[in-house]
Amino acid sequence: EAGVAQSPRYKIIEKRQSVAFWCNPISGHATLYWYQQILGQGPKLLIQFQNNGVVDDSQLPKDRFSAERLKGVDSTLKIQPAKLEDSAVYLCASSLGSWSNNEQFFGPGTRLTVL
Amino acid sequence: SQQGEEDPQALSIQEGENATMNCSYKTSINNLQWYRQNSGRGLVHLILIRSNEREKHSGRLRVTLDTSKKSSSLLITASRAADTASYFCATDGYGGATNKLIFGTGTLLAVQP
Repeated sequence: EAGVAQSPRYKIIEKRQSVAFWCNPISGHATLYWYQQILGQGPKLLIQFQNNGVVDDSQLPKDRFSAERLKGVDSTLKIQPAKLEDSAVYLCASSLGSWSNNEQFFGPGTRLTVL
Repeated sequence: SQQGEEDPQALSIQEGENATMNCSYKTSINNLQWYRQNSGRGLVHLILIRSNEREKHSGRLRVTLDTSKKSSSLLITASRAADTASYFCATDGYGGATNKLIFGTGTLLAVQP
């Protein structure tokens, strides 16, 4: 079974520029998550989708971050404009559903460096 | 904010030894999960223990949960060099129906060959 795919794997941008990340979840997984992992810390949930609807975006900095999951499959996460503190690994994960015993499967992540 | 705190932050052992890492969390949970992260395979789910369970085994892994102390431990027996990774506990955080995970700060395990 193919895993969660993410692209690009690495991105370097200047502050105030824009950047977008793409995620393709495991086929059939209704729930998709975006996490931010700052160096030395555990992942922090930014946004959770159930199909194409947002379940939780309480920790998404909405003044600069946006995410969508059109058609309930692929998802994109955008940062505009980027700040230095956005340097992190952005992880996408998916699960069959949103109930709490569902295993989440993670993609390889996109490492973002903001200069 | 982080829900869990792992202890120790870093651990170095010899191959064949056992490794124990601990996790403390703050709020009620439905379940607690342990994940491993290394550069080769990314973040991988290891084991889930429900709030009504006290101990669970999976291969060389043994997890305990003490909800009265809001703590969990992960024991890796007969460690191998391939176990070198960061280990995170994650809780569902709500006691509700969503699958939102709140990760701890992680323990960096180094297994010396």
